[in-house]
Parts: sequence; C-alpha cells; structure tokens
Amino acid sequence: RKEVEQDPGPFNVPEGATVAFNCTYSNSASQSFFWYRQDCRKEPKLLMSVYSSGNEDGRFTAQLNRASQYISLLIRDSKLSDSATYLCVVMDSSYKLIFGSGTRLLVRP
Amino acid sequence: GAVVSQHPSWVICKSGTSVKIECRSLDFQATTMFWYRQFPKKSLMLMATSNEGSKATYEQGVEKDKFLINHASLTLSTLTVTSAHPEDSSFYICSAIQGLNQPQHFGDGTRLSIL
Repeated sequence: RKEVEQDPGPFNVPEGATVAFNCTYSNSASQSFFWYRQDCRKEPKLLMSVYSSGNEDGRFTAQLNRASQYISLLIRDSKLSDSATYLCVVMDSSYKLIFGSGTRLLVRP
Repeated sequence: GAVVSQHPSWVICKSGTSVKIECRSLDFQATTMFWYRQFPKKSLMLMATSNEGSKATYEQGVEKDKFLINHASLTLSTLTVTSAHPEDSSFYICSAIQGLNQPQHFGDGTRLSIL
C-alpha cells in the first residue's frame, strides 16, 4: 500500500465549478500535512498547510481527519489558472515529506 | 521570502559524464536540504537528506557513491550525479527548510537528460 494515496484524475471541470480532492495516508504517526501545487515541468509550490481544525485561504479549504487518516482540499469558483497537479504531502516523524502521486485538475473555459 | 535557487535548470549530456547540480537558499539559512527525483507522472521520491557540515543520509536504494552530496554551508548544497547513464535521466529537485517541522521550499528543479 502506498504511504500517501490520491486519485490521479484528471478532474475536468468548467470555470466556476467547485472541486474536491481527497487523500489518505497510512502512517498514523505522521505529524504535518500539506497541499502543494505542481505545474507541468515545474517544482512543487506550497499551497497550504492542513490543520485538524480545518483551514481556509481564499477559495481553498483544507481539512484533516486524523482518525480516518484522510485529507481533503476544496477549490471553489475554480479559475483556468487553477489547472495543475495537486500533491498531497505528509511529513513523517523524521520530518521527511512523503508525496502522493498527485491529482491532475483541468479547468476549461 | 524563502527563495531557493537551483542551477542549472536543464542539462543534456553524454553517457558517462558527471553532472553537478547546485541548490542555494537565497534569503534564509537552511539547516537541512533535501534532494528529490521525479520521473514522468510519478511522485517526488526523496533521495537524500543533507545537513550542513555532516554526511548526507541516503534513502534506501539510492547509491551514495553514484549521487554525491556536499553541504558546505547553510545556504548551499550540491548533488553530483557521477558517470551518468540514460536511466539517470529525470527531474531532480532540491528543497530547503529553516527549521524542523517547517514547510519545505523547493528549487526550480533540474531536468537532466543523458544521451
């Protein structure tokens, strides 16, 4: 079983749509959680950290359920520029980042 | 803030060549730097963790004599792919952190193509 699992997609949605990505992780000792965004042939860029209380940054909302070992990302009012691969990332107890393989989002006009 | 620069961004060279990639934290001191490799449509895979002034810690399956890492200062780490072969062709990315449990900031990545 992969340490961090994501649906690879692609998710193909119209502009303005709301889209949700899910992620599960296997190591219950994981201590920090992040969503990164990666554009084609580019480096990952931190989108947001994820907290148990849930957190929001503009159109983006992240949720963490430690009991279920489940992380989500919700994007509201999607823009063309949101098209990218979204990486679910977990930091283990050794402070190493474990990356999911990413979920690809395509936002169409 | 938290800018990480990686150089070069693209390398094409012949099989057997050694290639050096630099990773610099431009506006902060990085206690730790990480080196990743990413094959097409795959996850980033951690190759090694590099702490300033000490030997790098390599992940299982990564040959330390093949991938030489030097972390000479708090702002610079280098990865040398020795005697590169076509199967070493990949996207190599470094990252740096200011402290433990902090988000990692990534360099631009280096696309390595070995002919």
